[in-house]
Formats: sequence, C-alpha cells, structure tokens
Amino acid sequence: EAGVAQSPRYKIIEKRQSVAFWCNPISGHATLYWYQQILGQGPKLLIQFQNNGVVDDSQLPKDRFSAERLKGVDSTLKIQPAKLEDSAVYLCASREGGNSGNTIYFGEGSWLTVV
Amino acid sequence: SQQGEEDPQALSIQEGENATMNCSYKTSINNLQWYRQNSGRGLVHLILIRSNEREKHSGRLRVTLDTSKKSSSLLITASRAADTASYFCATDIDTIYTGANSKLTFGKGITLSVRP
Repeated sequence: EAGVAQSPRYKIIEKRQSVAFWCNPISGHATLYWYQQILGQGPKLLIQFQNNGVVDDSQLPKDRFSAERLKGVDSTLKIQPAKLEDSAVYLCASREGGNSGNTIYFGEGSWLTVV
Repeated sequence: SQQGEEDPQALSIQEGENATMNCSYKTSINNLQWYRQNSGRGLVHLILIRSNEREKHSGRLRVTLDTSKKSSSLLITASRAADTASYFCATDIDTIYTGANSKLTFGKGITLSVRP
C-alpha cells in the first residue's frame, strides 16, 4: 500500500515570496490533515478536511495560508507571503474515516526554510 | 493548544537498557497514539491504545494508559541504537457533535538517544 506522498521535500524561499506544497493521501482515505512542525516542537494542526470539506481550520493563519482539496483526494497548502517564522516542516497525514480509532498516517514532510 | 506533555524532554541510555517515556494530558480522550520521528523524517505510527484499554504490547513496545490520572507511558525494552529518535504522544478526541471530526493533538516530544 502506497503511503502519503508529499512534494516538494525541501524548499528555500525568501520572505514575502509564495510557496505551495502538495499532498496525495493514501487511496480511499477520507480525512486529510496538514500539520506544521517547527524545529524542536510537536506538530500543530493547521487544517483538517473530510473529503473535500473543511472541518477544522481554527489554527490556520488565514491571512497568509490557504489550503484546498477540491476533488476530495489530493490537497495543496499555499503560503503567501511567507514570513521567517513559517520556516518549519509541513506534514500531511490521512486517515481512512473521520472517527478516532483509525490510525493516522503521515508523509515524510515538506521542509520549508524562509530566508 | 498542547494537549499531551511528555516527560522527560530528553533521555539518554545505553544500548540494551529499557527506556520509559511518560505522557500526561488534560481532557478526556478516545485514544492515545505514540509516534516516532527520526531526524529529518516524517512521523511513524508506533501504537494506538483506546480509552478502555489499560495496556498494549507491540514487539519491544509496551504502552499503558491510566485515564484516571490522564497519563500514558511508553516502554521500549532492550533498546537499540536504531531507536534513537524523537517520540511523541498524541491524543485523539472526537468532537461531541458529530463524532467524525477527530484529530490528533501532539505534545512537544521526547528526544531519546541510545548509546551503542
């Protein structure tokens, strides 16, 4: 079974530039999550999708971050304009259903450095 | 907001020794999951323990859950150098409205170093 795919793995941009990350979850997984992990900290949920609908984006900085999952499969996370403090790993994860009890699988992450 | 808090923040042991890591949380949960993260890599799921379970085993891993104390522990027996990684506990909570919007809330993690 293929895992959660993310790209690009690494990105370096200057502040005020824009960047987009792509995620393809495990086939058949209805729930998709984007987490931000700053170095030395635990992952923090940015946004959660159930199929193509947003169910939680309470911690997404909506003035600069946006995410979509138009067809309920793959998803993109965009940052525009980027700030220095956005330097982090952006982890995509997926789960088969929406209920707790199913394992959440993570991708390898997209590492962003803003200079 | 941080739900789980791991203890200790860092642990250094000799290969062959056991490693015990603790996690405390604040609110009621449906289950608790432990993840490992090697340097520069994504999160790997280790084990899930449900709120009605008290202990679970998987290979060299043993997880306990005490819902009355809102705490969990992860024991790695006979540690190996390859166990060197960061370990995270994550609490899984369904919303009370739909039961379908569960999400994982992570602690800050424990850095485990196993010396050869």
